[in-house]
Amino acid sequence: DAGITQSPRYKITETGRQVTLMCHQTWSHSYMFWYRQDLGHGLRLIYYSAAADITDKGEVPDGYVVSRSKTENFPLTLESATRSQTSVYFCASSGRAYEQYFGPGTRLTVT
Amino acid sequence: AQSVTQLGSHVSVSEGALVLLRCNYSSSVPPYLFWYVQYPNQGLQLLLKYTTGATLVKGINGFEAEFKKSETSFHLTKPSAHMSDAAEYFCAVSDLIPRIGNSGGSNYKLTFGKGTLLTVNP
Repeated sequence: DAGITQSPRYKITETGRQVTLMCHQTWSHSYMFWYRQDLGHGLRLIYYSAAADITDKGEVPDGYVVSRSKTENFPLTLESATRSQTSVYFCASSGRAYEQYFGPGTRLTVT
Repeated sequence: AQSVTQLGSHVSVSEGALVLLRCNYSSSVPPYLFWYVQYPNQGLQLLLKYTTGATLVKGINGFEAEFKKSETSFHLTKPSAHMSDAAEYFCAVSDLIPRIGNSGGSNYKLTFGKGTLLTVNP
């Protein structure tokens, strides 16, 4: 089925380790987004991408790296995970100018 | 920058009662406004949106919202709550993304409120 998927759905990692969260969409949407969701903060934008090889920072980019070599994929990497990065991460994509479609999320725990 | 305030982090209603979830926004330009719903352990699903035109917007599952420019509000309502409406609801306002690189066209990022958890009691 067409849609947006994220993997893994659950991840436990240790402080200092590198971890990559994957996001894949089948709509050929040009825009993709990464958010983190934390209690009391709602959703906050980490990074977004307008097209392959075009990315920019959102509200909370520190400690994260993104890449987008192909339109359909938008991985998010935590280069050296910290406990403050324990969160639920959502990927979204947008084809139209304003409507975003969300993946199911990845629950990340950093111990 | 745009901002969104959702009044009440938790709203509890009885089954069959009116649902009213409040959202106020600040925007320097005419906004696009959205309500999303999130069921437990799932991603966000678009409930309804206001872009232009009619200020009363109907969405899925019997929800509707009214854009009131003078009040900078976009409250979500449903006449009769159902147990299946129990979820977290997020209001969001669009914010134009500056064009980056050689990307064609413009797009918007969303600024979300902190969410309102709706509980429906039998």
